[in-house]
Amino acid sequence: DTGVSQDPRHKITKRGQNVTFRCDPISEHNRLYWYRQTLGQGPEFLTYFQNEAQLEKSRLLSDRFSAERPKGSFSTLEIQRTEQGDSAMYLCASRLEGANIQYFGAGTRLSVL
Amino acid sequence: KQEVTQIPAALSVPEGENLVLNCSFTDSAIYNLQWFRQDPGKGLTSLLLIQSSQREQTSGRLNASLDKSSGRSTLYIAASQPGDSATYLCAVDTGRRALTFGSGTRLQVQP
Repeated sequence: DTGVSQDPRHKITKRGQNVTFRCDPISEHNRLYWYRQTLGQGPEFLTYFQNEAQLEKSRLLSDRFSAERPKGSFSTLEIQRTEQGDSAMYLCASRLEGANIQYFGAGTRLSVL
Repeated sequence: KQEVTQIPAALSVPEGENLVLNCSFTDSAIYNLQWFRQDPGKGLTSLLLIQSSQREQTSGRLNASLDKSSGRSTLYIAASQPGDSATYLCAVDTGRRALTFGSGTRLQVQP
């Protein structure tokens, strides 16, 4: 097991385009989290899955954002009609239910021009 | 709403110094507190986790303490090395299923 994997590592897009990021959690981790981190700040919670069910969404997750985890394994985060303010590092983390530690991926850095 | 503050925001020290990073949180009803390390452009690596019932945890040159009643935690790094240069993040787990992070302390250890 190689840990939490995120793809792509870096995405450059033009304002108004749609982008999709993928996260592969550690196998058997049933909990999956998405966070957003802007420069000089700590990560902020976006949304959380337990298996395939999306249990919580932050107010940061506007209508342009959607996340899925269709089979309870990998997850995707889509941003529609990107804005310059969406530029950030998007981090994925996973955790085994009952365990304390969340394991983070390397992140996807989004740059919206 | 839980808020986490880290002081200082940045720190530069010569190699070999012992140093203390501070973290404070506003709601003492936490399950645990974690310290993470983040290298530039990279993800987070968990360094230490302190359960709410614990006072401190140690790993090598790192020691983290927790005073839940006062809403404070410290990360002590002994005999700092240039390889310790990174951003250190404090995060609390309030059982809301997600972590609440501070803004981090950016550490530079000069050789």
